[in-house]
Amino acid sequence: EVQLLESGGDLVQPGGSLRLSCAASGFIFSSYPMNWVRQAPGKGLEWVSGISGSGGSTDYADSVKGRFTISRDNSKNTLYLQMNSLRAEDTAVYFCTKPPPPPYARLGSYYFDYWGQGTLVTVSS
Amino acid sequence: EIVMTQSPATLSVSPGERATLSCRASQRVGNNLVWYQQKPGQAPRLLIYGASTRATGIPARFSGSGSGTEFTLTISSLQSEDFAVYYCQHYNNWPYTFGQGTKLEIK
Repeated sequence: EVQLLESGGDLVQPGGSLRLSCAASGFIFSSYPMNWVRQAPGKGLEWVSGISGSGGSTDYADSVKGRFTISRDNSKNTLYLQMNSLRAEDTAVYFCTKPPPPPYARLGSYYFDYWGQGTLVTVSS
Repeated sequence: EIVMTQSPATLSVSPGERATLSCRASQRVGNNLVWYQQKPGQAPRLLIYGASTRATGIPARFSGSGSGTEFTLTISSLQSEDFAVYYCQHYNNWPYTFGQGTKLEIK
């Protein structure tokens, strides 16, 4: 059974940093690109970042580019999101997402068939 | 960036009736379009991928159609558990973008 378990969410001051983790199980983690999607309280969904299975390719939403870094440790079946220079508008539930089995037409051309339950990040003084 | 626009923002429908939700992309995305259902406090749930293919375990009352820039999600006979927020999302390329959501409420 596929499981995605996010952790690391917390209350942090503006300008602060936080690292989120997503522990994956039930599939061959290294074979799958992974993504983070967030949802501000009472708002819609926003794609944040994606990473290839090897970790060699990444991409970011403009709203987080230069501040957030996605990475993965395939030996630990874990996805990460390092968030620096946090702003109030980064307050959201952050979801870890998995696509269906490969192959994919190209990197960045897949949907999400599994979502974790999310971890809440609150940026406030 | 591709902008996804959903309409209406809120749809009030009685149980047993049909609901039709729309999603428009600002650029052509082929059939690289999904629909998710989200209930309060839960993660989104995949309903439809490839614009028209039901995900595993999704009831036949859910159907998707469209390609290019215009897409539709139809729920043929609403059940109580279908009242939720529905999002469309393109997956043509990064950055993925979502529609702002349609809240389906009980009339």
